[in-house]
Amino acid sequence: KAGVTQTPRYLIKTRGQQVTLSCSPISGHRSVSWYQQTPGQGLQFLFEYFSETQRNKGNFPGRFSGRQFSNSRSEMNVSTLELGDSALYLCASSYQPGQSSYNSPLHFGNGTRLTVT
Amino acid sequence: EDKVVQSPLSLVVHEGDTVTLNCSYEVTNFRSLLWYKQEKKAPTFLFMLTSSGIEKKSGRLSSILDKKELFSILNITATQTGDSAIYLCAVPGGAGGTSYGKLTFGQGTILTVHP
Repeated sequence: KAGVTQTPRYLIKTRGQQVTLSCSPISGHRSVSWYQQTPGQGLQFLFEYFSETQRNKGNFPGRFSGRQFSNSRSEMNVSTLELGDSALYLCASSYQPGQSSYNSPLHFGNGTRLTVT
Repeated sequence: EDKVVQSPLSLVVHEGDTVTLNCSYEVTNFRSLLWYKQEKKAPTFLFMLTSSGIEKKSGRLSSILDKKELFSILNITATQTGDSAIYLCAVPGGAGGTSYGKLTFGQGTILTVHP
């Protein structure tokens, strides 16, 4: 089974620009979550989507948004980029409905490394 | 707000040593505790613990949960250079505490194993 796929792997953007990151979950997984990882703050939850609906949201400004499509693929968008948005953005998927909690750990992609200059 | 604290933050050992990594947590509605290993990019799942006192094992790695004292430990015996990584502890939260998509992570323990 193919793992979680994130594109692009690397991005360099300028302050003020916007960026869209893409995530394809493991086949059959319906929940997609996004995380930001920085050396100072560690791994922080951005948001979670399930069946095209945002189910949970972390403590990030409104510049960070996301969506999920009917095939479970997800995108996240960051508008008006700031230097502090430079980070590794990780997407993770899991399958929950009808599945035991023992089998629902998150499976992460390799991430998109975003550098804002 | 859920909180996860790991210790030590970094650890340097030699091959063959045994290490113990610690994770303490405070959560509103405990469901489980998870351990991940992150080498280069993607954190990879190691263990999910839900019951107190029951050890989970995978090769040289093992983990146990103490729900009374609100902590977990991850043990690695006979360490190898390939064990060098960041080890992350996390608890799920979210709506009603049933969402495994929202994890609160600890800061991680950076383990370095020298030959």
